[in-house]
Amino acid sequence: GENVEQHPSTLSVQEGDSAVIKCTYSDSASNYFPWYKQELGKGPQLIIDIRSNVGEKKDQRIAVTLNKTAKHFSLHITETQPEDSAVYFCAATSNTGNQFYFGTGTSLTVIP
Amino acid sequence: KAGVTQTPRYLIKTRGQQVTLSCSPISGHRSVSWYQQTPGQGLQFLFEYFSETQRNKGNFPGRFSGRQFSNSRSEMNVSTLELGDSALYLCASSLGAGGPYEQYFGPGTRLTVT
Repeated sequence: GENVEQHPSTLSVQEGDSAVIKCTYSDSASNYFPWYKQELGKGPQLIIDIRSNVGEKKDQRIAVTLNKTAKHFSLHITETQPEDSAVYFCAATSNTGNQFYFGTGTSLTVIP
Repeated sequence: KAGVTQTPRYLIKTRGQQVTLSCSPISGHRSVSWYQQTPGQGLQFLFEYFSETQRNKGNFPGRFSGRQFSNSRSEMNVSTLELGDSALYLCASSLGAGGPYEQYFGPGTRLTVT
């Protein structure tokens, strides 16, 4: 099955700086890569996603890049704010979409 | 549109008991997936249902079971509870056919086994 690795496990940045979280996947059939943000006491919230026919996608301060050849994708958050502090998960799935494989999460702390 | 809802939000059970958790997907979504989230293991896939059929199952013992109803609502059941079953149980829904589609999570049910 698919194996998704996520780094780093913890990340601290100063408010206003950028944060980058990286994930790698093993199954070349995977073609959909969502990112989730989970705040304390809540379920994961879908914040951005990318499909394998696209190399980059941006939504305001967040962006995701995908390198299919190297099998890795990254989340970029610019101009970080304290409310960006949360745990972020990457995931991958294939055409069937029956099962999503999740990374182990990155705890992001934005220091005011 | 209403989001994914899960009931109850919190549960405290004793070892050996059984528990049933409920999930109502977003209207129009026919796929429901269940996950167990613990601090040490992250998000572990339990199973996925589409049109009342289990399409995929993770590596959990047979004590964990689920079902889906014709209105796409889903339940999961854990029998003979163990201390290690204490976790946040999340369900997620998606359109489910011809995907992959975006998957949206509910707030989870926090299960504590004592």
